[in-house]
Amino acid sequence: GAGVSQTPSNKVTEKGKYVELRCDPISGHTALYWYRQSLGQGPEFLIYFQGTGAADDSGLPNDRFFAVRPEGSVSTLKIQRTERGDSAVYLCASSLTGGTNYGYTFGSGTRLTVV
Amino acid sequence: GESVGLHLPTLSVQEGDNSIINCAYSNSASDYFIWYKQESGKGPQFIIDIRSNMDKRQGQRVTVLLNKTVKHLSLQIAATQPGDSAVYFCAENRPSTIQGAQKLVFGQGTRLTINP
Repeated sequence: GAGVSQTPSNKVTEKGKYVELRCDPISGHTALYWYRQSLGQGPEFLIYFQGTGAADDSGLPNDRFFAVRPEGSVSTLKIQRTERGDSAVYLCASSLTGGTNYGYTFGSGTRLTVV
Repeated sequence: GESVGLHLPTLSVQEGDNSIINCAYSNSASDYFIWYKQESGKGPQFIIDIRSNMDKRQGQRVTVLLNKTVKHLSLQIAATQPGDSAVYFCAENRPSTIQGAQKLVFGQGTRLTINP
């Protein structure tokens, strides 16, 4: 597609439930990133994929968070046993190769609310 | 710890005036900086970037200035328009543990409001 697509745009879930957030990057972009943005804050890095592999997952806050990108295109961020503190906007971005010569394109994000 | 931050959380200017948004960074090893604009309900949108071997870069109505001596970055927007109202973030590009990879460290952001 023309841009980075994220679905759903909004998700409300109960505390303790499992959620999946989807990201469709720009076609041909090998690098994919997940960020989390809390209200009034800048985005915080979660995980970076180069192709199918999670090259850097140092930003994942704990083992309840997991992400996959099985075919090197679409990625899914999975959150188990959701907590109210997980409420935030989850942003996905893609880049042509992941190097510093290319910028990111961000999606519009998924707003997750845990009640 | 290392951080990227902004001096002012909010800024209001009259339409047609120039605006300046400031940013301080603390990682002296950072060599690449990016300004993003974020409108409500949307993801960050790239505005302009600058590498550490430059001190000024200009785009269409925007200029970024980099002062490495005091670790300060600014975004100047000329002849502001209502569509410039948004939150602006500076971001510091840091190398990942993987060669050639990168990740962005964002500041808190400045909300710019253009008054008619």
